[in-house]
Amino acid sequence: DQQVKQNSPSLSVQEGRISILNCDYTNSMFDYFLWYKKYPAEGPTFLISISSIKDKNEDGRFTVFLNKSAKHLSLHIVPSQPGDSAVYFCAASVGAGGSNYKLTFGKGTLLTVNP
Amino acid sequence: GAGVSQTPSNKVTEKGKYVELRCDPISGHTALYWYRQSLGQGPEFLIYFQGTGAADDSGLPNDRFFAVRPEGSVSTLKIQRTERGDSAVYLCASSLDTYGYTFGSGTRLTVV
Repeated sequence: DQQVKQNSPSLSVQEGRISILNCDYTNSMFDYFLWYKKYPAEGPTFLISISSIKDKNEDGRFTVFLNKSAKHLSLHIVPSQPGDSAVYFCAASVGAGGSNYKLTFGKGTLLTVNP
Repeated sequence: GAGVSQTPSNKVTEKGKYVELRCDPISGHTALYWYRQSLGQGPEFLIYFQGTGAADDSGLPNDRFFAVRPEGSVSTLKIQRTERGDSAVYLCASSLDTYGYTFGSGTRLTVV
């Protein structure tokens, strides 16, 4: 049972345009969400996170939006750059009960930014 | 070192053999995690250490898998009687608290 779903295996955008990566979750206990970026032969690197008490978090070119009622979050990258080409993983954790260390990941979306 | 180091980076073993995968966390990080990423999947949680003890090993798939962290630093993931289905990238991560993981580059295990 996939609790975190990234339904688009891949996305291709032009340099300078907006990239929107989507993520849906089914576990209503999730209250902390993260995006990781992964280049080939490297481990995932943390990009941005959001707590369930917020609906938006912004860090430079990266913004994460959270819609709790729809159990949906999205990552916006503006403007997209060729160096952003990577696999992006959505992840979630349950903070209550002290289990926030355990991340549940989606399958990832391969973003390709074309020059 | 500055990051999480995992050795070896690649391991090919025959079905039925025993393997050990090593993780050197960032110095001072008390929390250490192992994840497994199978082809086409996201990383899946295996085990979490706080200091020397396994605080949560609920993700270990069966009793062929075992992990230790005897001195609260380096950790070893041990797999007995390997099966072809164990082939995956094994990722280690460490952190000061339970947010803000830093992942290593992983060990790609291939069981033939």
